[in-house]
Amino acid sequence: DTAVSQTPKYLVTQMGNDKSIKCEQNLGHDTMYWYKQDSKKFLKIMFSYNNKELIINETVPNRFSPKSPDKAHLNLHINSLELGDSAVYFCASSQVERGATDTQYFGPGTRLTVL
Amino acid sequence: AQRVTQPEKLLSVFKGAPVELKCNYSYSGSPELFWYVQYSRQRLQLLLRHISRESIKGFTADLNKGETSFHLKKPFAQEEDSAMYYCALSGRMDSGGYQKVTFGTGTKLQVIP
Repeated sequence: DTAVSQTPKYLVTQMGNDKSIKCEQNLGHDTMYWYKQDSKKFLKIMFSYNNKELIINETVPNRFSPKSPDKAHLNLHINSLELGDSAVYFCASSQVERGATDTQYFGPGTRLTVL
Repeated sequence: AQRVTQPEKLLSVFKGAPVELKCNYSYSGSPELFWYVQYSRQRLQLLLRHISRESIKGFTADLNKGETSFHLKKPFAQEEDSAMYYCALSGRMDSGGYQKVTFGTGTKLQVIP
């Protein structure tokens, strides 16, 4: 009965590889997010999707491509991985209606290590 | 543009001492403010939000629009309060009417036994 789940929990890979992280929420929320938490614990939004529509795309290299097949899933694909991509990536979801924001529910995080 | 500032990266207090985690924001409209907490090896979770005006685990936070602050306070710190605390602001985006949440850089609270 996990609300927001991510796979994998840990991901270790070589520079230059392509990898994906999956996220699923069973809360019935209409909005999902990807955040990056770096080694200094800074948390920064990367993308936000509302009902499969991209609504926030922060300054993120185009090697990062989110995909939302339906409103319960938001996957993150990363091409040509670089050392600086090493971080913890958090997925989150919330119920957002125009003019209002609800609480964000976070996944457990995926720790990506690029060697 | 919206911005959240948490000036302290690390705050160390002794058990039983009062705690105040500072948060200042910049936003032209009416913001919604939140505090999220991340305990060791756990996911981020909501601690409290200003519209609820409630106390969670002994923590309170008051929105001060004049000082644009939303400081988190607790009168007596406990060891289990040790965690990473993030202040967050939700404000309306310029386009589409959607809300965007901006997080501060976080403050690590260390409660010394």
